Amino acid sequence: AQSVTQLDSHVSVSEGTPVLLRCNYSSSYSPSLFWYVQHPNKGLQLLLKYTSAATLVKGINGFEAEFKKSETSFHLTKPSAHMSDAAEYFCVVTTTSGTYKYIFGTGTRLKVLA
Amino acid sequence: EPEVTQTPSHQVTQMGQEVILRCVPISNHLYFYWYRQILGQKVEFLVSFYNNEISEKSEIFDDQFSVERPDGSNFTLKIRSTKLEDSAMYFCASKPPGFPEAFFGQGTRLTVV
Repeated sequence: AQSVTQLDSHVSVSEGTPVLLRCNYSSSYSPSLFWYVQHPNKGLQLLLKYTSAATLVKGINGFEAEFKKSETSFHLTKPSAHMSDAAEYFCVVTTTSGTYKYIFGTGTRLKVLA
Repeated sequence: EPEVTQTPSHQVTQMGQEVILRCVPISNHLYFYWYRQILGQKVEFLVSFYNNEISEKSEIFDDQFSVERPDGSNFTLKIRSTKLEDSAMYFCASKPPGFPEAFFGQGTRLTVV
């Protein structure tokens, strides 16, 4: 069975400093992994995806994530936080076969301090 | 840019009433999903739908829930007799063939009173 664990429920950073949101996954199959962002009162927007190609994945708004199979991790990073990055971030895993069910982590709320 | 559209954005209903949440998936997508997020909790899978039938459903998706794709464009979730604990944000999603990512709608916030 697939699962994801987001290691931090809340992360606070100062504007202009790096962001690190941690995610570990468990999957019996070759996983596809995603990060979605949810701004207040908004829907879920895809930030980036990993699908067994390059292990370093670039997404929108300057975010990146690196797939590390040996560590079963898919951490999300950004070199410099912006106030508009304040939101909830979800790490999501799915299989690449079958019904493509998406399994969500519990979410990390990112706060950006001025 | 194509997007998944959900209506209504907010719905308030009395306990025991039936509600229908509506979704228009992206037009060339073949896989459809409903998820829900109870306030303060994680996003939970309800059901997936492919080739005009349910492909998988969770334990949450009991006999009170049903899904339908009535006209080839809409995808609906019906809750037959709502309970207080059905209050949540409900997300519809669709996935295109050949790509792994799902696209989510803005959600419908359902409040059962």
